[in-house]
Amino acid sequence: EAQVTQNPRYLITVTGKKLTVTCSQNMNHEYMSWYRQDPGLGLRQIYYSMNVEVTDKGDVPEGYKVSRKEKRNFPLILESPSPNQTSLYFCASRRNLGQGSSPLHFGNGTRLTVT
Amino acid sequence: DAKTTQPTSMDCAEGRAANLPCNHSTISGNEYVYWYRQIHSQGPQYIIHGLKNNETNEMASLIITEDRKSSTLILPHATLRDTAVYYCIVRPNAGNMLTFGGGTRLMVKP
Repeated sequence: EAQVTQNPRYLITVTGKKLTVTCSQNMNHEYMSWYRQDPGLGLRQIYYSMNVEVTDKGDVPEGYKVSRKEKRNFPLILESPSPNQTSLYFCASRRNLGQGSSPLHFGNGTRLTVT
Repeated sequence: DAKTTQPTSMDCAEGRAANLPCNHSTISGNEYVYWYRQIHSQGPQYIIHGLKNNETNEMASLIITEDRKSSTLILPHATLRDTAVYYCIVRPNAGNMLTFGGGTRLMVKP
């Protein structure tokens, strides 16, 4: 089944303790991105990647890192999490540009709580 | 990306058509209109998209005005499972960033 898989689904951590949220897709998509969703603010893009080894900042990149060493994986890294990063996080992927319009496929989300 | 404006919430009776409007008056010629929905806190689900022509698939129809400044998503026979937040987004086909606004919270009632 074609899907975007995020892990973990739920995570509670403490301020300053480094964490990684994994994202993997099995559709051979070039483009992948991370979003956070907060009440009243909609979905905001954190980082995106056009292809392997290519990453760019989205609207709210501060406090986050990403890497794209392989096509299928796009982990989100919080080096020193803070309570304001408590949020619902979504990973998404799609075929890249130049191949016609292509919708995003989203994972089921990771609910992160930083205390 | 062009900004979009949607009503905050709408109600629809089960079995009736749900018509969700979206204004995108600053849309430019190469920008597509996309619709997604999000049920509770699940990942957003793609519904449909279009550029100029009206589109239909197994989930919905998309009507885009001739001047492309607005569009309407139509769910022909709404069910309780269609209760969700519906997002209208415009982006160029060559665009990298994608911005979701507040969306319309559709409540389908028995």
